[in-house]
Amino acid sequence: GAVVSQHPSRVICKSGTSVKIECRSLDFQATTMFWYRQFPKQSLMLMATSNEGSKATYEQGVEKDKFLINHASLTLSTLTVTSAHPEDSSFYICSARQGAGYGYTFGSGTRLTVV
Amino acid sequence: QKEVEQDPGPLSVPEGAIVSLNCTYSNSAFQYFMWYRQYSRKGPELLMYTYSSGNKEDGRFTAQVDKSSKYISLFIRDSQPSDSATYLCAMSASGGATNKLIFGTGTLLAVQP
Repeated sequence: GAVVSQHPSRVICKSGTSVKIECRSLDFQATTMFWYRQFPKQSLMLMATSNEGSKATYEQGVEKDKFLINHASLTLSTLTVTSAHPEDSSFYICSARQGAGYGYTFGSGTRLTVV
Repeated sequence: QKEVEQDPGPLSVPEGAIVSLNCTYSNSAFQYFMWYRQYSRKGPELLMYTYSSGNKEDGRFTAQVDKSSKYISLFIRDSQPSDSATYLCAMSASGGATNKLIFGTGTLLAVQP
C-alpha cells in the first residue's frame, strides 16, 4: 500500500531558528501534497496544498513567508518553519496523493516544540 | 457553523460492544466521505472511503452515508481495546487531485477490556 514517511518525528528548537520537516512518498509518485497542523484535542487544519514543480497554495490566515513549502519532486515535499516562536509549537502532518481518484495517505506527523 | 460537526467524546465502551460514530455536515456538495483512525501522536490512517450515499462494509467496520440528511456514520462491531483511538470523519466535494479534505474534530474512543 501507499506509504508516506515524515521526518523528523519530533524536534525541539530555540526561538528564532528555522526547522525543516520532510515528507516523502515511498512507493508512489505524489502529484499533490498537503500540510496540516493539529493542536491538542483538535482536528487537522489544512495549511497549504502543493503540487510538484509549482508554488504552494496557502489557506487563508497561514503566513506563506513563515511556513515555506517546497515540492521539488514527485516524492518529496518540505515544510520549513522560519523564525520559529513558541506559538508555532504544534503537531504538523503531511499527506500525499497520487492523483484524482486515489486516496490521501498521511505521514506519521512531526511534533515541533519551540523553546 | 462548522462545515463538519463531530462529537468529540470521549466515548467509553466495554470490549465487544458495537460502537457508533457520527458526523453531520452542511455542504451539500460533499460527495466523498472518509473515516480515519488516529492513534496518539501519529498520523491518521484511512479506515473507510465511500462515494455518495450508501453503505460499505470492511471486516468489523461499516460506513453509512445519508446525503439527504447530511449524516454519516461508522460502526465498529466487536470492539477491541486496540480500537481505542481518535476517529476522524473527513469529506470532500470532488475527487480532483488537489481537492482538500474537510475534517471533523474527531471522537476519542476508549474500549475497556
